[in-house]
Amino acid sequence: QLHQWGAGLLKPSETLSLYCDVYGGSFSTYYWSWIRQSPEKGLEWIGENTHTGSIDYNPSLKSRVTMSVDTSKNQVSLKLTSVTAADTAMYYCARRPPLGSFDSWGQGTLVTVSS
Amino acid sequence: EIVLTQSPGTLSLSPGERATLSCRASQSVSSNFLAWYQQKPGQAPRLLIYGRSSRATGIPDRFSGSGSGTDFTLTISRLEPEDFAVYYCQQYGSSTRTFGGGTKVEIK
Repeated sequence: QLHQWGAGLLKPSETLSLYCDVYGGSFSTYYWSWIRQSPEKGLEWIGENTHTGSIDYNPSLKSRVTMSVDTSKNQVSLKLTSVTAADTAMYYCARRPPLGSFDSWGQGTLVTVSS
Repeated sequence: EIVLTQSPGTLSLSPGERATLSCRASQSVSSNFLAWYQQKPGQAPRLLIYGRSSRATGIPDRFSGSGSGTDFTLTISRLEPEDFAVYYCQQYGSSTRTFGGGTKVEIK
């Protein structure tokens, strides 16, 4: 299971910080992604940590995103700087096996950016 | 970035009917790394099909995936009441994963 948590209401220019705790399964054998969904942009992949430690980011967000993995806590995290109203969305963490697709998702965290 | 275009936007069908959903990619999807998801209101997407045609764990065999290259199809052979939802395709063959815009399957 994937359980997400983090602040859901931000002001413009603040930093979004979300966390995803992973229960059960083999944490280190999966890749961990963050995905967001909004009515305007639909489902948008933000980035992915692989179990080897490498990270891929969506080029459209790369300059503002930092993702990390804490294997001692079985936790993945997302930071997105300088948020604007355009970052308002439901954010999901999701896992996939190497060469596979997203087979398990967190419950979602609604993040609203408003002054 | 590979752009995925799904059609139709909305499909109005009755329970028991067959649903055919299309996903077209702007360029060939590497190794047929194409997945389909189902999403119901208030829920996260659920994986149905991966690798173009393999059903995920617990997915009934009325769901099937086909296609190759740039054209893919999700077929629901006989719609059950719980199948009315939004369906998304997604490619994971390129370094930037992308999703289609979705097809809503609604009750006619």
